Order: sequence, then structure tokens, then C-alpha cells
Amino acid sequence: GAGVSQSPRYKVAKRGQDVALRCDPISGHVSLFWYQQALGQGPEFLTYFQNEAQLDKSGLPSDRFFAERPEGSVSTLKIQRTQQEDSAVYLCASSLGGREGFQPQHFGDGTRLSIL
Amino acid sequence: GDSVTQMEGPVTLSEEAFLTINCTYTATGYPSLFWYVQYPGEGLQLLLKATKADDKGSNKGFEATYRKETTSFHLEKGSVQVSDSAVYFCALGGNEKLTFGTGTRLTIIP
Repeated sequence: GAGVSQSPRYKVAKRGQDVALRCDPISGHVSLFWYQQALGQGPEFLTYFQNEAQLDKSGLPSDRFFAERPEGSVSTLKIQRTQQEDSAVYLCASSLGGREGFQPQHFGDGTRLSIL
Repeated sequence: GDSVTQMEGPVTLSEEAFLTINCTYTATGYPSLFWYVQYPGEGLQLLLKATKADDKGSNKGFEATYRKETTSFHLEKGSVQVSDSAVYFCALGGNEKLTFGTGTRLTIIP
């Protein structure tokens, strides 16, 4: 079945370069989330979209991080001027949203980002 | 803010042993609670959930009960298998986002 798809699976960049990570949510899912998972830790919330609207970006660690979902489907997380501390696995999740109660989130396999 | 405290690992058990992984939470309001599992080389998968106090979530022989009085959601399984070896995450859902614990690595030996 078509789950959440993320690309690339692995990304290596030099410090100071810009990177873009892509997420294709489950078809029909209204809500989309980005999380950052450092080695040996649980995922931490970055930002959340409902359709194309970014409703919460409180978890973005700095103004170097930017996310968009212009047509309410595919989303891109961009990191500018990468730093070594940005090395982590970036997870995308989607949910049905728009309903009563907290909807379960379904995760992609993540993008492992390594900054040299 | 919301937080989840999860039993630290790693945990190593023999096949057919009884499993408990402790999870407690702090939250405002009435969150939903989840257990996610990450098998080696794979992404996070939803294992089970509970949306209100006294609800019991269950899946694949695993169970967890939403205990409001003790703010807990402990994961249990009566007889573990080698295939249960994975990292388990307790998570709290509130304000449209998940707050995760640090994860517990479980290894089952034959």
C-alpha cells in the first residue's frame, strides 16, 4: 500500500550547504508533520500543516529551517547553511486530520542527514 | 509542557518471558496515548493506542491501559518472541502533535 514516502533516504552535505528533504504523505491525509530524531533519542516535533496552512512551527530550531506544503500535498523541509548539529534523522508523518479526537500519525522511513 | 518519561533500556529477555516497559506522562488536558515500534532498518509503526482514561489498547499480543490516576501507559506482553526485538516509543498526543519518550531497546534471545 502507499504509505508516507520520504526522499532521499540518506543525505550527506558539507557544513554551510543548503539541503531539501521531501515528503509525500498518504493520499487524502489532511495533516502533515515533521519531526527530528537525534541518535538514541525519541523524535521531536518541528512543524505541522493542515492542508497548505502551516499551523504550528514552534519546534523549528532556528530560522535556518523552513518548511512548505504549497498545494496541500507534498511537503519540503529546507535547511539553509547547515551545521553539524543538524545531523539527525528527519521524519515525516501524516494523519487524516479534520476529525474529532487525536488522529494517529503514520510515519515515513525518514531521511538520515549527515553534515560533515 | 507535555512530557513522557519512559523506562530506560536496553532490556534483554529470554523468549517467552513476560515484558513490561514503563511509561508515565505529564500533560494538560486529556491527551491520547500511543506506543510506536521501530524494527531494525524500518520506520516507526503504530503499535497501539488509547484515547481516554481506562481504555486498553492492544495489538500483536501487546497491551497498554490508559491510567489517569497514575498518569501511566505501561506496555505489557505475556510471552515475547525473538521477532519482538525492536525499539519501543511511548508517545502522548495533544495540541496536534506527538511528544515521544526516549525509546526502549528490547532484545529477545532464543
